[in-house]
Amino acid sequence: AQSVTQPDIHITVSEGASLELRCNYSYGATPYLFWYVQSPGQGLQLLLKYFSGDTLVQGIKGFEAEFKRSQSSFNLRKPSVHWSDAAEYFCAVSNAGGTSYGKLTFGQGTILTVHP
Amino acid sequence: NAGVTQTPKFRVLKTGQSMTLLCAQDMNHEYMYWYRQDPGMGLRLIHYSVGEGTTAKGEVPDGYNVSRLKKQNFLLGLESAAPSQTSVYFCASSERGWDNQPQHFGDGTRLSIL
Repeated sequence: AQSVTQPDIHITVSEGASLELRCNYSYGATPYLFWYVQSPGQGLQLLLKYFSGDTLVQGIKGFEAEFKRSQSSFNLRKPSVHWSDAAEYFCAVSNAGGTSYGKLTFGQGTILTVHP
Repeated sequence: NAGVTQTPKFRVLKTGQSMTLLCAQDMNHEYMYWYRQDPGMGLRLIHYSVGEGTTAKGEVPDGYNVSRLKKQNFLLGLESAAPSQTSVYFCASSERGWDNQPQHFGDGTRLSIL
């Protein structure tokens, strides 16, 4: 069964600092990978997704993520964090197969705190 | 441009009571999903539907039932609520097609079972 691990439960950074959130997945075939962000009291918003091709994908709000098949990782990065980026971030994987119907398996989430 | 709307936003139940959570989407999406979110566990899939009149079990279906009588609505029912079902429930929808279609989420229903 597929699984997703986000090793960091909570990360604190200063505003303007760079950010990297880790995500490791376990899946036998090529996965579809996603990063979602959840602000307090809100639903999840898609930041970016990877299906195939270029392993560095760009998303909204200045985020990017790099797919590394050899490391089974899909880490999220941002060069300069803004206070408004404080939220919880979820990595998710979908089975790249016709019978999965887009079902997502989520990681446990990483809470990002931004200090002024 | 409502997207995915969940009703109600908050609810407190007593053990053994029943209730239904409503999810409505206005994007003509084929696929709909119900997740629960618990601290430190991310989101887990309860049930999903790949079209009107169809439902299927997800990862944690026990204690829940669902119905998709109309394409735009996906109902989640708790027949006899238990404290273990205290959670935040999210509904999502996506277009039919390849599995790379992103899911659109509602704002959640916060449910407490006493």
